[in-house]
Amino acid sequence: QKEVEQNSGPLSVPEGAIASLNCTYSDRGSQSFFWYRQYSGKSPELIMSIYSNGDKEDGRFTAQLNKASQYVSLLIRDSQPSDSATYLCAASGSARQLTFGSGTQLTVLP
Amino acid sequence: KAGVTQTPRYLIKTRGQQVTLSCSPISGHRSVSWYQQTPGQGLQFLFEYFSETQRNKGNFPGRFSGRQFSNSRSEMNVSTLELGDSALYLCASTLGGFLDLYGYTFGSGTRLTVV
Repeated sequence: QKEVEQNSGPLSVPEGAIASLNCTYSDRGSQSFFWYRQYSGKSPELIMSIYSNGDKEDGRFTAQLNKASQYVSLLIRDSQPSDSATYLCAASGSARQLTFGSGTQLTVLP
Repeated sequence: KAGVTQTPRYLIKTRGQQVTLSCSPISGHRSVSWYQQTPGQGLQFLFEYFSETQRNKGNFPGRFSGRQFSNSRSEMNVSTLELGDSALYLCASTLGGFLDLYGYTFGSGTRLTVV
C-alpha cells in the first residue's frame, strides 16, 4: 500500500522560531507534493505545492523535495501563533488521487 | 469566486439509517473527490468523479456510494449507517486532469455523527 508518513507530533516551537515538518512517501511514481494546513474544526487548506527537486519558497514557507530520498519537508520561518494547526503532507500518484499523511500538529508558543 | 460548497454542515443519524451528502464544486472544476476524515485513520479516499463517471474508488464497503450530475455537483450516500461511520466527510474539487498542478480545494465538510 502506498503510504505517506509524517514525523509524529505534536511539535511545539516558540514564536519567531523556524518550524520544520517532515514527510516521506513510498510511491516512487508520485510526481507532485502538497502541504495543507488544517485548523481545528476546519477543512484542509492548500498552502504549498512542489513538483521538482530542490526548494520552493512562498513568503515564510519553504517546501523542500528530494525524490531520490523520497522526502518532502516544510519550513515555516518566523513562526506565529496563528500558524498553530495540523499540517498535512500529500502526494499524488498514478491513481488520480492524493494520498495524505496523518498530519503533524504544530503549536507556536507566544 | 465561490468555493466548494458542502451541505449540510452537520448531521446526526441513527444506526441503520441512510444519509446523503451534497457537494457543489468550484465553477469550472469537473473533478470531484470525497474523503473521510477520522482522528484514528486520518484522510481516507472514498471516490472520485469526473464528467459523471466514477474514475477511482477507495477501499470502502459498498454501503458508500456516490454520483455526479451533469453540472458537476456530486452526492455521496451511505446506507445502513454504523457507529464507525461517524466522521468528517470532505469534498474536494480540482480542474479535471490538473490534480498534479493544482491539488485539491476542499469544502468545509459535513460532520456526520451516528448514534
